[in-house]
Amino acid sequence: DIQLTQSPSYLSASVGDRVTVTCRASQGISSFLAWYQQKPGKAPKLLIYAASTLQSGVPSRFSGSGSGTEFTLTISSLQPEDFATYYCQQLDTYPFTFGPGTKVDI
Amino acid sequence: EVQLLDSGGGLVQPGGSLRLSCAASGFTFSDYSMVWVRQAPGKGLEWVSALSSRGDVAYYAYSVKGRFTISRDNSKNTLYLQLNSLRAEDTAVYYCVKCYGRCLKNHFDHWGQGTLVTVSS
Repeated sequence: DIQLTQSPSYLSASVGDRVTVTCRASQGISSFLAWYQQKPGKAPKLLIYAASTLQSGVPSRFSGSGSGTEFTLTISSLQPEDFATYYCQQLDTYPFTFGPGTKVDI
Repeated sequence: EVQLLDSGGGLVQPGGSLRLSCAASGFTFSDYSMVWVRQAPGKGLEWVSALSSRGDVAYYAYSVKGRFTISRDNSKNTLYLQLNSLRAEDTAVYYCVKCYGRCLKNHFDHWGQGTLVTVSS
């Protein structure tokens, strides 16, 4: 199975900060990686797919990059509504796997 | 607007069974592969199972293989997950999720609100 790790697991930030989350895969997954945002008590929401494509309706302050085994999610200027947990996911191979999550907190 | 309405969760004893349902609307259900994803209390996301658009090809996580069965009724726009031989570690919120076309090499684009399954005596 392909394992995903995320760093950091917890991030304390302020409104307006630039935030970067890293996701690493245990083997190459090309660009078959997605990022999701989850707020407490809510279902996850797709932010980015194919490593760098912004889902329709997602603010442009979110961006993704990377291929192969290393990927990043960047929030260019953190907004109050962005405080949440972020998960990466690989869809290159079954079984699909998620990273353990990065909680972005104040 | 795509809507996925999950239902069927509840409290069940270890070894018991439950069937989850997901009523889909706002898109041509029979054109899309679907998956179930679960999240144990306070934990991360775990993919459980996937099913092709025609319902003829299914995949399962190792943790549920042989105990859970995914199915769909395209005439009713409904996805199901039959949970058998339930264990305490199956306690989680279960989400029905739509894939963008196929799931493999693609992404999950819409999620249901989730239904809570609690396995406890």
